[in-house]
Formats: sequence, structure tokens, C-alpha cells
Amino acid sequence: NAGVTQTPKFRVLKTGQSMTLLCAQDMNHEYMYWYRQDPGMGLRLIHYSVGEGTTAKGEVPDGYNVSRLKKQNFLLGLESAAPSQTSVYFCASSLSYGYTFGSGTRLTVV
Amino acid sequence: GQSLEQPSEVTAVEGAIVQINCTYQTSGFYGLSWYQQHDGGAPTFLSYNALDGLEETGRFSSFLSRSDSYGYLLLQELQMKDSASYFCAVASGSARQLTFGSGTQLTVLP
Repeated sequence: NAGVTQTPKFRVLKTGQSMTLLCAQDMNHEYMYWYRQDPGMGLRLIHYSVGEGTTAKGEVPDGYNVSRLKKQNFLLGLESAAPSQTSVYFCASSLSYGYTFGSGTRLTVV
Repeated sequence: GQSLEQPSEVTAVEGAIVQINCTYQTSGFYGLSWYQQHDGGAPTFLSYNALDGLEETGRFSSFLSRSDSYGYLLLQELQMKDSASYFCAVASGSARQLTFGSGTQLTVLP
């Protein structure tokens, strides 16, 4: 039982480059979320989805886009990376109130 | 919007009991959750309180008072492995999306 899988685990980008972070869950959860976590801070919600084909903005959506074409996958895109987007990105899924998190993607933008 | 306050650091000795408090301001409140995160790891779900009162799960208990917008996590019989960050989070919105506090770093001393 894999749970929530995030790829890649680490990435270094140059300012202005683009990339896509992939999140896959095998628990048939309806809800999926993308959070970022900066040192000494809690997790901040970037975007979320309440089901296949739906997305919505969270607390800090600027500079990011998302897509949920299949129920099990939730993609987070950075179109033009900036140093302020250096962070650890966590994907999560849930059926109701308990989230299952992936292991995170550590992204550095230089 | 939502805001949460919790202490930034707590230190206790092995075998002791520690309480981590959380106060919140939110609209559309569904419940209060607690998550544990070890350094470099993913947050893991500990508990969820939707109604007032105490919920017990092994050595961990969580309490909620909706009228006071207050909750706490109680950890008993502390072990070294309990050294971690603990986050409270309020659930609100269409996807019961979580807004996290900044976290409490718990250090358990031998």
C-alpha cells in the first residue's frame, strides 16, 4: 500500500525555468492538496481539489498552477520559477478529516 | 481568514506529561486536527476533534472547546521518539482544507 507518492524528491531549478511536481495516491481519495513548508513555519495551502477535474486556490496560489485530470493524480506546475519558491512541497489526500501526506519534494531555485 | 497560535517550543523529560495548547480564529469551522512531523519527514495524522471534549488514542489525547476556540494535545509517558514538531490545524471550507499553525518543537530529554 503506497499511499501518497511524490516525484521528484529533490530538484534544483534556475530562475525562470519551469517544472511539474507529480502527486499520486492509491487510496481512492476525493480530496487532494498541495502545501509548501518553509523553515520554522507551518504548512501553507497552495491549491486543492475536491475531485477529478476540479481545482481551487488556497492561501498562496500565485506562481503555481495545478491540474487533476485523473482522480489519483494531482500535478503542481511552476511556470517560471523564482527564488521565493524555494521550499519543501507536500502533497496530501483525504477522504474526510485525516490527511495522508507524501514524503515531500525539496525544491531549490537558484 | 484563519489564524492559529501555539507555543514555538516545549521541553520535557522522558516519562513526563506535556500539554501543547492551540488557540484559533476561523470561520466555517469543522474541527481541529493535530499532526506530528519529525525532522525531514512528512506530517502524520494524530487526532481530529469535531465536538467538544477529550479524545484519547493510546498515550496521546486531544481536547477541544469550540466556545473558547481552544484545543490542546496531551502527550503522556513521553519517549525520546516523541521529539518532533507538533502542528494544530483547523478544518474549514468545501474541502475541509486545513490551515496549520506554525508548529511546536517538542524536545524530550533523557
